[in-house]
Amino acid sequence: EVQLQQSGAELVRPGTSVKLSCKVSGDTITAYYMHFVKQRPGQGLEWIGRIDPEDDSTKYAEKFKNKATLTADTSSNTAYLKLSSLTSEDTATYFCTGYYYSGPYYFDYWGQGVMVTVSS
Amino acid sequence: DIQMTQSPSFLSASVGDRVTINCKASQNINKYLDWYQQKLGEAPKLLIYNTNSLHTGIPSRFSGSGSGTDFTLTISSLQPEDVATYFCLQHNSGWTFGGGTKLELK
Repeated sequence: EVQLQQSGAELVRPGTSVKLSCKVSGDTITAYYMHFVKQRPGQGLEWIGRIDPEDDSTKYAEKFKNKATLTADTSSNTAYLKLSSLTSEDTATYFCTGYYYSGPYYFDYWGQGVMVTVSS
Repeated sequence: DIQMTQSPSFLSASVGDRVTINCKASQNINKYLDWYQQKLGEAPKLLIYNTNSLHTGIPSRFSGSGSGTDFTLTISSLQPEDVATYFCLQHNSGWTFGGGTKLELK
């Protein structure tokens, strides 16, 4: 069974950056497209972007193009989301999710989410 | 970018009620619309994919319908465990979530 395990909660200063991890177990990460989703407290879900760990190709939502960077390390079966120039607007829970490269193309696997708090 | 307008944003219903939640896309998304359920403090859970396909293990009281730009999630007989927030997601062109519907018991 595929499982996604995310890193722990983060308290970070405004203007800095943070790198969140999402480790895949039960299969090789290169078999999956990995996505990240943002959820501000009490708000809806926003798609941030996705990475194909097979070739490191990425795709981002327009509003996150200068905010988020997705990478993957196949040796550790882990995908990463780096958020830069943090502000209070980045305070949120971030989920990783994904699907098998050949489909079906729905988000069946989810990490538990990681809370990022941006505060001085 | 495709915008998804979900309604209502809040819904109060009684056990046994038939509940419907709607999503409207800003352009044609064919059949590529999924529905997720999210309970407090948890990750979203897939209910319906590609408009009307019931995901494995999801009770048959959940169903989906629609095409093109207008889609509906129906709960045929509301149960207490269905209290949650529901989101639609289009994946015809990129990925866009609807704003969510918070469902509570009356």
